[in-house]
Amino acid sequence: DADVTQTPRNRITKTGKRIMLECSQTKGHDRMYWYRQDPGLGLQLIYYSFDVKDINKGEISDGYSVSRQAQAKFSLSLESAIPNQTALYFCATSDRLGDWTNTGELFFGEGSRLTVL
Amino acid sequence: QQQVKQSPQSLIVQKGGISIINCAYENTAFDYFPWYQQFPGKGPALLIAIRPDVSEKKEGRFTISFNKSAKQFSLHIMDSQPGDSATYFCAASPNRDDKIIFGKGTRLHILP
Repeated sequence: DADVTQTPRNRITKTGKRIMLECSQTKGHDRMYWYRQDPGLGLQLIYYSFDVKDINKGEISDGYSVSRQAQAKFSLSLESAIPNQTALYFCATSDRLGDWTNTGELFFGEGSRLTVL
Repeated sequence: QQQVKQSPQSLIVQKGGISIINCAYENTAFDYFPWYQQFPGKGPALLIAIRPDVSEKKEGRFTISFNKSAKQFSLHIMDSQPGDSATYFCAASPNRDDKIIFGKGTRLHILP
C-alpha cells in the first residue's frame, strides 16, 4: 500500500458542486500539504498543516478549504467548484525538521485529477 | 510574485549529453534548496537537495551548483539517459523549517 493515499484518483463534476478530496498517510508525519499542479505553472501550495491543530493558507487558497481530521488525514474541499479549478491535486507529507540529518523531504501521493465542467 | 523562477520550461538533450536547468530566487531567508523529479502519472519525488553553506552537491550523475551571492542554483545531469526524461522542479524553503515553494518546472526529454 502507498504511504500517501489520495481519493478519488479521478473525478469529473459540474460547476457549483461541492467536492472533497481526501488524503491519508501511514508515514507518521506531522506535516501535510495540498498542492495544485497545472501545466506550465508548476506546483502551487494551497494549504498546509504542521500538526492537527494547525492550518495555514498557501499561495492559492481562495476557493478552497481544508480539514485536518487526524494526524494521518487531511482533506481538501471545493465548496462550489468552477472550471478553472480543473487541475491535478497532490497531497504531500513531511517530517518535522530537526538538525540537518533530516532532509525535509516531501512525500507525495499519486494525485487526484479533477475536471470541473 | 513568483518566489522561485525556473528555466527553461522545456529542454531536449541528446543521450549522453549534459542537461542543465536553472533556478533563481529573491528571498534571502531561503536556506534549503531541493530538486524534485516527476514521471508521468506519478507524484514528484525528491532527487537531490543542497544547503546554502556549500557551493556544490553531487549524487551520481546529478549535481546541484549553488551561487549564494547571485541567488541562483542549477541542476546538472551528466551523461543524460532516456530514463531521465521527466519533469524537474526546483524548490526553496524559507528558514529551513517552513513550507516548500516550487518553481514552474522543466520538462526534460532525452533523445535516444
